[in-house]
Amino acid sequence: EAQVTQNPRYLITVTGKKLTVTCSQNMNHEYMSWYRQDPGLGLRQIYYSMNVEVTDKGDVPEGYKVSRKEKRNFPLILESPSPNQTSLYFCASSLTAPYQPQHFGDGTRLSIL
Amino acid sequence: AQKVTQAQTEISVVEKEDVTLDCVYETRDTTYYLFWYKQPPSGELVFLIRRNSFDEQNEISGRYSWNFQKSTSSFNFTITASQVVDSAVYFCALNNAGGTSYGKLTFGQGTILTVHP
Repeated sequence: EAQVTQNPRYLITVTGKKLTVTCSQNMNHEYMSWYRQDPGLGLRQIYYSMNVEVTDKGDVPEGYKVSRKEKRNFPLILESPSPNQTSLYFCASSLTAPYQPQHFGDGTRLSIL
Repeated sequence: AQKVTQAQTEISVVEKEDVTLDCVYETRDTTYYLFWYKQPPSGELVFLIRRNSFDEQNEISGRYSWNFQKSTSSFNFTITASQVVDSAVYFCALNNAGGTSYGKLTFGQGTILTVHP
């Protein structure tokens, strides 16, 4: 089954404790991206990757890192999480570019205390 | 810069009413794509439609229709004879395919639609 898989689905952690949210897709997609969803603000793009080893900042990259060492994986790293990063996070992918329909993961709800 | 505005935060209707969700966008590029996505209460994000900037033809798919007007920079979404299953958050999104920000996908704030039985 074609899918985008995020882990974990839920996480409660404390300020400053490094965490990684994994994202993996099995559709051989080149384009992958991360978003955060907050009430009243909609979805905001954090980082995107056009292909392996090619990543770029979205609209809200501060406090986040990403890497794209393999085509299928695009982890989101919070090196020193803070409470303002408490949010619902989505990973998405598409065949080659953002102008194609995006396939989204099921979301990861992060709570940082 | 690209921007999407969905001014309607929440809309509440009774089943069988028609409802229109507004989307206004800003871009300096001539080549761009517009999208609508649906997020039902279960939380997943589902693609509904994509239009490119060179195709202003309106589209109808069952009870759903979309009105794209470049003159007003709008891409509105109408649900005819709404049903309870239409209750969801709806997002409009924009990609500037021809500009320096071609890798970005910008979403609006979302409109929460509640359809009451």
